[in-house]
Amino acid sequence: ELKVEQNPLFLSMQEGKNYTIYCNYSTTSDRLYWYRQDPGKSLESLFVLLSNGAVKQEGRLMASLDTKARLSTLHITAAVHDLSATYFCAVDIYSGGGADGLTFGKGTHLIIQP
Amino acid sequence: DADVTQTPRNRITKTGKRIMLECSQTKGHDRMYWYRQDPGLGLRLIYYSFDVKDINKGEISDGYSVSRQAQAKFSLSLESAIPNQTALYFCATSDSGRGGTEAFFGQGTRLTVV
Repeated sequence: ELKVEQNPLFLSMQEGKNYTIYCNYSTTSDRLYWYRQDPGKSLESLFVLLSNGAVKQEGRLMASLDTKARLSTLHITAAVHDLSATYFCAVDIYSGGGADGLTFGKGTHLIIQP
Repeated sequence: DADVTQTPRNRITKTGKRIMLECSQTKGHDRMYWYRQDPGLGLRLIYYSFDVKDINKGEISDGYSVSRQAQAKFSLSLESAIPNQTALYFCATSDSGRGGTEAFFGQGTRLTVV
């Protein structure tokens, strides 16, 4: 059974600071996704990481994937209030003939204070 | 208009009642999913469908059933609703023709069973 663990689950930080959210998973996979969810809203796709060593950046967010360590990170640079949200990582076990859908972590609730 | 549309957006129902949540998509994707979100638990997969003739149980299918009426429509039914099925439900789609299974989510249905 695939398990996906995020940490921290809750993070309060100040604007301008840097921080990293970690996503560990238990089964071999080279497909990992990051999503953002604002309160009461749907999930918005942030990053799609499909190979070992993949790194993607969008604005103040950067995501990376190390499939050997079964670890992905979401790094926040010089945080701003607008980045306050819940961030989810999700892993896909691709079996060649199809996939079983995504397994999600429990989410990191991020609050960025002035 | 949203690419993935869920109806209703909010629903309050009584214990023991049958209820159907509907999902339609205009993305042309072949894969559709139903997830359930509970506070602190992330999203958990209920059912998924790779095409009209292919329906599969997810992690938490007990108490739920689904119907894939067409490639664009995937409905979730609770035959006899119970209070612990109170949750936020999301429909999602993905495209098997692309690398990975990046999922695109509907706006969610908030279901309360009293």
